[in-house]
Amino acid sequence: QVQLVESGGGVVQPGGSLRLSCAASGFTFSSSGMHWVRQAPGKGLEWVAFTRNDGRNDYYADSVKGRFTISRDNSKNTLYLQMNSLRAEDTAVYYCAKEGSTVLTPRYCDNWGQGTLVSVSS
Amino acid sequence: EIVLTQSPGTLSLSPGERATLSCRASQIVGGSHLAWYQQRPAQAPRLLISYASSRATGIPDRFSGSGSGTDFTLTISRLEPEDFAVYYCQQYGTSPITFGQGTRLEIK
Repeated sequence: QVQLVESGGGVVQPGGSLRLSCAASGFTFSSSGMHWVRQAPGKGLEWVAFTRNDGRNDYYADSVKGRFTISRDNSKNTLYLQMNSLRAEDTAVYYCAKEGSTVLTPRYCDNWGQGTLVSVSS
Repeated sequence: EIVLTQSPGTLSLSPGERATLSCRASQIVGGSHLAWYQQRPAQAPRLLISYASSRATGIPDRFSGSGSGTDFTLTISRLEPEDFAVYYCQQYGTSPITFGQGTRLEIK
């Protein structure tokens, strides 16, 4: 079955950087688009970024554009999120999620990891 | 961007009752590109419905989705104890993807 395991979360100071990873198994990773979605404590879901199956096209929410970079290594079945210039409002659980459709643009998420917590605080 | 407004914010019902959750979009959602998710406490979201009415794999048939344009509905025909959770709608017809703020379904 599909398994997505996030890692790399932790506490970081404002202005700092962090890289999240998501190890994927149970499906053909190189054939699937992938998302990052976040959830601030006690709040709703916010879509963050998407990368195509081949990594050639990326999409970002305006709130993270220019600061976050999504990438993937299909040889390692791993998705990444490089987060720079972190702000207090980036504090959230970050979920890795598999794209549910076969198209090359972001649609919906049919499988989710359990999330990793990022806390931005001085 | 398309803003999704879910109502009610909280819905209090008893097991066995019917639940009707609403999701209204600020603009037409093209192609009925709307999904519904369930999130139980301390768990990741789970996909219930895509394309407004297509149930995801393994989702019981008591869950159904309907609607088009700007008005969408998630109906749970007979509530089971495990259905009490938070429900989110999400549109993917227009970039960027956006989510509604959620409806909390609680036991009365």
